[in-house]
Amino acid sequence: GNSVTQMEGPVTLSEEAFLTINCTYTATGYPSLFWYVQYPGEGLQLLLKATKADDKGSNKGFEATYRKETTSFHLEKGSVQVSDSAVYFCALLYSSASKIIFGSGTRLSIRP
Amino acid sequence: DVKVTQSSRYLVKRTGEKVFLECVQDMDHENMFWYRQDPGLGLRLIYFSYDVKMKEKGDIPEGYSVSREKKERFSLILESASTNQTSMYLCASSLLGGGESTGELFFGEGSRLTVL
Repeated sequence: GNSVTQMEGPVTLSEEAFLTINCTYTATGYPSLFWYVQYPGEGLQLLLKATKADDKGSNKGFEATYRKETTSFHLEKGSVQVSDSAVYFCALLYSSASKIIFGSGTRLSIRP
Repeated sequence: DVKVTQSSRYLVKRTGEKVFLECVQDMDHENMFWYRQDPGLGLRLIYFSYDVKMKEKGDIPEGYSVSREKKERFSLILESASTNQTSMYLCASSLLGGGESTGELFFGEGSRLTVL
């Protein structure tokens, strides 16, 4: 079946460090892929998305590339800030059912 | 600014009580969703609705029901709350066309329910 697997947290980094949060997926067909972010005390919000292979989504300094050959959509940022502390969710949409599947979430904490 | 509002941020209920969680969106979206969020499990879909008076079961509908009498409002009902329904409940809406989703969901801030 369709699923999303992302690295377990929590992840703790120092400010200005390089960030990678791994996400791999299993899906039939050609899903769209997303990263959502949940800041403390808030609901989720869309961070970035990619709808086809080799697309790169980007927003707020974060990037992720849709890699069909490795079924991955890893989230990266070159220099994290304290304000990036949040929970990050990888998700996929398989349009045949118009359903969105979320990964388990990765909690990121950034030390000043 | 788009807005999804959940009526209660925190609720404490007793086992067996009937619980209503209300969600209102002001974006004229056709589609609304209820998820529960639990540590280590991510978000799991309970119910969703593509239109007024229409509902579809998600992945974990047992113990829940929903109501959508108006386009902007989607209610989640726990007929008889149990302790294993203690969780964070998230409402979301999205714009769909012809049954296809763009994938962008707009979430409320969540309702944390504790069942004693």
